Amino acid sequence: NAGVTQTPKFQVLKTGQSMTLQCAQDMNHEYMSWYRQDPGMGLRLIHYSVGAGITDQGEVPNGYNVSRSTTEDFPLRLLSAAPSQTSVYFCASSPLTGTGVYGYTFGSGTRLTVV
Amino acid sequence: ILNVEQSPQSLHVQEGDSTNFTCSFPSSNFYALHWYRWETAKSPEALFVMTLNGDEKKKGRISATLNTKEGYSYLYIKGSQPEDSATYLCARNTGNQFYFGTGTSLTVIP
Repeated sequence: NAGVTQTPKFQVLKTGQSMTLQCAQDMNHEYMSWYRQDPGMGLRLIHYSVGAGITDQGEVPNGYNVSRSTTEDFPLRLLSAAPSQTSVYFCASSPLTGTGVYGYTFGSGTRLTVV
Repeated sequence: ILNVEQSPQSLHVQEGDSTNFTCSFPSSNFYALHWYRWETAKSPEALFVMTLNGDEKKKGRISATLNTKEGYSYLYIKGSQPEDSATYLCARNTGNQFYFGTGTSLTVIP
């Protein structure tokens, strides 16, 4: 059981380049989300999805796109990378029960540097 | 955004000391409070989830309590060990959304 798989683990981009961070889970979780983690800022929600075909914005969505064509996959796209997007990105998933009792399973993170 | 606050921001203790830290959150629209342990260069791992006022959870030397009426949770570590060094995150769940605090960074000095 792989859990949540994120790729790549590390990436260096030049300003203006685009790329996709991949996230896949094999737990049949309806809820998937992307966070970025910056020093002193904690985890900030970028986008989330409550099921295939449904996505919504989080706290810091600008500069990022997501899609959810299947339950398993939730890729995060950087449209035109900027140095401000240098961060560590985490994908997380959870069952969607509306009770709040199920925690997240996190991926291992992607360290992105934009130069 | 419903703010979750954690204190202290960082903490250094000697091996063998007991310690505790606080998570404060808005008490309205409360579903659950989660604690995560986050070691450097790893991803956060779930420790506890609590839903009812007065809940107490324990895992080995680590325990947590919940007060939903006043909006706080305490995490306690008894007899800290160097392997307890990590950032401890709390997150408030409002049904389907998590709101994370910025964490308490614990360093246990051998």
